[in-house]
Amino acid sequence: GAVVSQHPSWVICKSGTSVKIECRSLDFQATTMFWYRQFPKQSLMLMATSNEGSKATYEQGVEKDKFLINHASLTLSTLTVTSAHPEDSSFYICSATLAGAASYNEQFFGPGTRLTVL
Amino acid sequence: GNSVTQMEGPVTLSEEAFLTINCTYTATGYPSLFWYVQYPGEGLQLLLKATKADDKGSNKGFEATYRKETTSFHLEKGSVQVSDSAVYFCALSAQGAQKLVFGQGTRLTINP
Repeated sequence: GAVVSQHPSWVICKSGTSVKIECRSLDFQATTMFWYRQFPKQSLMLMATSNEGSKATYEQGVEKDKFLINHASLTLSTLTVTSAHPEDSSFYICSATLAGAASYNEQFFGPGTRLTVL
Repeated sequence: GNSVTQMEGPVTLSEEAFLTINCTYTATGYPSLFWYVQYPGEGLQLLLKATKADDKGSNKGFEATYRKETTSFHLEKGSVQVSDSAVYFCALSAQGAQKLVFGQGTRLTINP
């Protein structure tokens, strides 16, 4: 149980285009989803926290107009990288917490999406 | 702010060797501490956790003890297997918070 999927698993796009990444909780309802970015050989950096039906909360330094997050249902959140540039190339990972989870709110992670902007 | 520092990899060991991956943290109050593992081609999975001082988390032969006096949460396993090859992340969540703060990850390779 508690499986999170991401689609696509990898994407290559041209500079200036927009790319949408989906994050789905397959067998549970997720009250909160998180989006992370991971650079090669570096740690996961939290970009934003999204709750179903409300606006995402972005971490300091993350451009909300560039990284659009929509959390339309309890099983789906999307991250859209708008007007992508080569510096946006990275590994994007989402996670979800289970509705009604224990106090420590275990996060279940997707397998990640590799974005390459040419 | 809160932060996690873990030993740099890569770490390469022979099968049945003893493993220690060091992790120290900086946080106010009483954070919860976690070890996540990422196997090749898969998402991060929770390996073990500890939510208060002196708690010991354990799973699949791995152990880590929450040491508040040394602000550490070192991961240990007495006898590693080839299947333990993965990237290991130490993480914390501040008291009352959902957000996770990760260490930089340690790549572990076990040779037969």
